Amino acid sequence: AQSVTQLDSHVSVSEGTPVLLRCNYSSSYSPSLFWYVQHPNKGLQLLLKYTSAATLVKGINGFEAEFKKSETSFHLTKPSAHMSDAAEYFCVVSDLGGYNKLIFGAGTRLAVHP
Amino acid sequence: NAGVTQTPKFQVLKTGQSMTLQCAQDMNHEYMSWYRQDPGMGLRLIHYSVGAGITDQGEVPNGYNVSRSTTEDFPLRLLSAAPSQTSVYFCASSIGTSGGGYNEQFFGPGTRLTVL
Repeated sequence: AQSVTQLDSHVSVSEGTPVLLRCNYSSSYSPSLFWYVQHPNKGLQLLLKYTSAATLVKGINGFEAEFKKSETSFHLTKPSAHMSDAAEYFCVVSDLGGYNKLIFGAGTRLAVHP
Repeated sequence: NAGVTQTPKFQVLKTGQSMTLQCAQDMNHEYMSWYRQDPGMGLRLIHYSVGAGITDQGEVPNGYNVSRSTTEDFPLRLLSAAPSQTSVYFCASSIGTSGGGYNEQFFGPGTRLTVL
């Protein structure tokens, strides 16, 4: 069965410093992986997706993620944090059963301090 | 183009009451789904639909019913609300139903439900 583990429930950074949100996945096949962001009291927005093309995926707002099959990881990074990046981030894998069934990690709450 | 809309935004129920959470999309998407979000657990799939007249269960379907009579609407019914159903509910839709989840899902703003 597919699963996703987000290694940090909370991450705190200073504005202008790099962001690293860690995600490991478990899948018996080549997965599709996603990062979604949820700002307070809002719905979810797709940041980026990996679908077996380039292993380094660029998303919106300067975020990117690298698919590493050997490490079963899909960590999210950004070179320089902005105050507006404060939100909850979800690493997501698509279910083997298809039909766009998504399996979510527990989430990482990112705090950005001035 | 309103995207995915959900009503109501907030709802308080007493144990045993029934209600329907509404979800509509104006993007002519085939696939629609309902998730619940609980602290520390991410989102979990309740029910989904791959087209009008076709629905199926997700990970946590107990206590919920759905139907899909039109492409646009996908209501979620709580038949007899329980405190364990206190959660934030999200509806989502996407353009197709290809295996592997290649199609981006668009999420509504959510409904915050409290069951006393």
